[in-house]
Amino acid sequence: DAGVTQSPTHLIKTRGQQVTLRCSPISGHKSVSWYQQVLGQGPQFIFQYYEKEERGRGNFPDRFSARQFPNYSSELNVNALLLGDSALYLCASSLDPGDNQPQHFGDGTRLSIL
Amino acid sequence: LAKTTQPISMDSYEGQEVNITCSHNNIATNDYITWYQQFPSQGPRFIIQGYKTKVTNEVASLFIPADRKSSTLSLPRVSLSDTAVYYCLVMEGRTGGGNKLTFGTGTQLKVEL
Repeated sequence: DAGVTQSPTHLIKTRGQQVTLRCSPISGHKSVSWYQQVLGQGPQFIFQYYEKEERGRGNFPDRFSARQFPNYSSELNVNALLLGDSALYLCASSLDPGDNQPQHFGDGTRLSIL
Repeated sequence: LAKTTQPISMDSYEGQEVNITCSHNNIATNDYITWYQQFPSQGPRFIIQGYKTKVTNEVASLFIPADRKSSTLSLPRVSLSDTAVYYCLVMEGRTGGGNKLTFGTGTQLKVEL
């Protein structure tokens, strides 16, 4: 079975640009979460979506936005890119946002800001 | 928010059993304990999850004492390929309210020959 897939795998942008990252969850999973991982640190929660609705938001500025589509895939958008946005962006999916549903991660999109 | 504390690093040799202990003193009644493994430039991989006592799967065991204020991930007979960062997390149990994961800095396990 296919796991969580993310595209693109690598991306290079310049300051001020906008970027869209894409995620396809595991088949049957309806919840998608996004995380940012800066080098040397653990992933930090950005958003969670379930049934196309936002279920949680981390401590990130409004430049970060996301959405979930009817097929449960998701996009993460980041506007007005800053150098500090350089990171590995991870998508995770779970059956639903229930109490004990483990999240399964993709291998991320490596975003570099020049 | 239940914070976790785990050793920054551990060293071991191939064939040994490795036990990584995590403390989570303010874990709430509905919270679950979850462990992930992460290799460089890859996403975290789910290893095991438990609520109390002992949970075992094909790759690891998780021991949780009665007070649930700590947990121990046990990796039997490690190999070089087990060299990775291991994260202990407490999944906040909120029915229908989302299950965001709060990662710490993890434990860097290094396995040598």
